[in-house]
Amino acid sequence: EDQVTQSPEALRLQEGESSSLNCSYTVSGLRGLFWYRQDPGKGPEFLFTLYSAGEEKEKERLKATLTKKESFLHITAPKPEDSATYLCAVQANSGYALNFGKGTSLLVTP
Amino acid sequence: DAMVIQNPRYQVTQFGKPVTLSCSQTLNHNVMYWYQQKSSQAPKLLFHYYDKDFNNEADTPDNFQSRRPNTSFCFLDIRSPGLGDAAMYLCATRQTGFTYNEQFFGPGTRLTVL
Repeated sequence: EDQVTQSPEALRLQEGESSSLNCSYTVSGLRGLFWYRQDPGKGPEFLFTLYSAGEEKEKERLKATLTKKESFLHITAPKPEDSATYLCAVQANSGYALNFGKGTSLLVTP
Repeated sequence: DAMVIQNPRYQVTQFGKPVTLSCSQTLNHNVMYWYQQKSSQAPKLLFHYYDKDFNNEADTPDNFQSRRPNTSFCFLDIRSPGLGDAAMYLCATRQTGFTYNEQFFGPGTRLTVL
């Protein structure tokens, strides 16, 4: 059965303090690993898709990386507006569904 | 802008009173999904439509049903809402046949059951 585990559950950073969020996964044939950002009371907003080990993608202060067992979302010099819950999800080759982790709630303080 | 729209954004219903949530999309995607997300939990897939083909997740209660009258619209019907059905309901879309596979989500409908 596909499993996605995110850590930590919650993370508090000072503005400018870089860190990484972890997403560990097991899946029977990875079709894609997805990162989403979710603000309170809103739907998830797509950030990145990663397809194969070694792949990296960047967007502003965010960089996502992928290995065969986990993905990291690196946040460089975060700002308060980066505060949100970051969700990781995997899609197996065999299906159409996304299997989500519970997310990491990030708070960046000024 | 192409988008996924959900109405209403907030819905209050009474215990056992049927309710319908609506999703529409201007992306012309062929797959539409309904997720349930409870507080501080991961979104949980209820069912999805691949074109007109309905696919129910094994653990989705019979109380939940869906309709997709055309490509643009999809509805979630909760026949007899219970207190445990209070949640955020998320609609998402995806287009198959391309190298990218991401799902695009609507803003969600927050359902309260009194």
